[in-house]
Amino acid sequence: AQSVAQPEDQVNVAEGNPLTVKCTYSVSGNPYLFWYVQYPNRGLQFLLKYITGDNLVKGSYGFEAEFNKSQTSFHLKKPSALVSDSALYFCAVRDERNTPLVFGKGTRLSVIA
Amino acid sequence: DAGVIQSPRHEVTEMGQEVTLRCKPISGHDYLFWYRQTMMRGLELLIYFNNNVPIDDSGMPEDRFSAKMPNASFSTLKIQPSEPRDSAVYFCASSLLGDGYEAFFGQGTRLTVV
Repeated sequence: AQSVAQPEDQVNVAEGNPLTVKCTYSVSGNPYLFWYVQYPNRGLQFLLKYITGDNLVKGSYGFEAEFNKSQTSFHLKKPSALVSDSALYFCAVRDERNTPLVFGKGTRLSVIA
Repeated sequence: DAGVIQSPRHEVTEMGQEVTLRCKPISGHDYLFWYRQTMMRGLELLIYFNNNVPIDDSGMPEDRFSAKMPNASFSTLKIQPSEPRDSAVYFCASSLLGDGYEAFFGQGTRLTVV
């Protein structure tokens, strides 16, 4: 069965500093990996995905994520955090059988001015 | 396209009443998903459809929950009778067929059962 772990419930970072939100996954076969962001009282918005190819994936709002197959990780990164990046971030995975996305529990990012 | 549209945005109902949540997926999408979000359990998949056919409803918590997709542009999630523990945010999402396609989420329905 597929699973996703987001080991940190909360990440705090100062504005202008780099940020990392961690995600590890477990699937049988090749993974398809996704990051979503949720702002208060809103639905989930797609940020970026890894399907195949370059291990470094760039997405919306300056976010990027690095796929590491040996460590089964897909950490979300941004070189310089903004206060407006404060939100709830979800990592998700599906396997090659086109099954629905399985989500992690989410990490709340707080960027402090 | 306006995206995935859910209604109502908020619903407050009394225990024992029937609740119906509605979803209009993005036109042309083959898959439709219903998720539930709570603080304790995070995002849980309840059921999903492919081309209007239910594929997996193993996430539906009890027989009180049912979902239908009578056509490609409309789906409902019904709870009858509702209970306080059903209080949550319910999301509908849709996607195209294919492993690499992301799901697009609606704004959600916040359900409160008192």
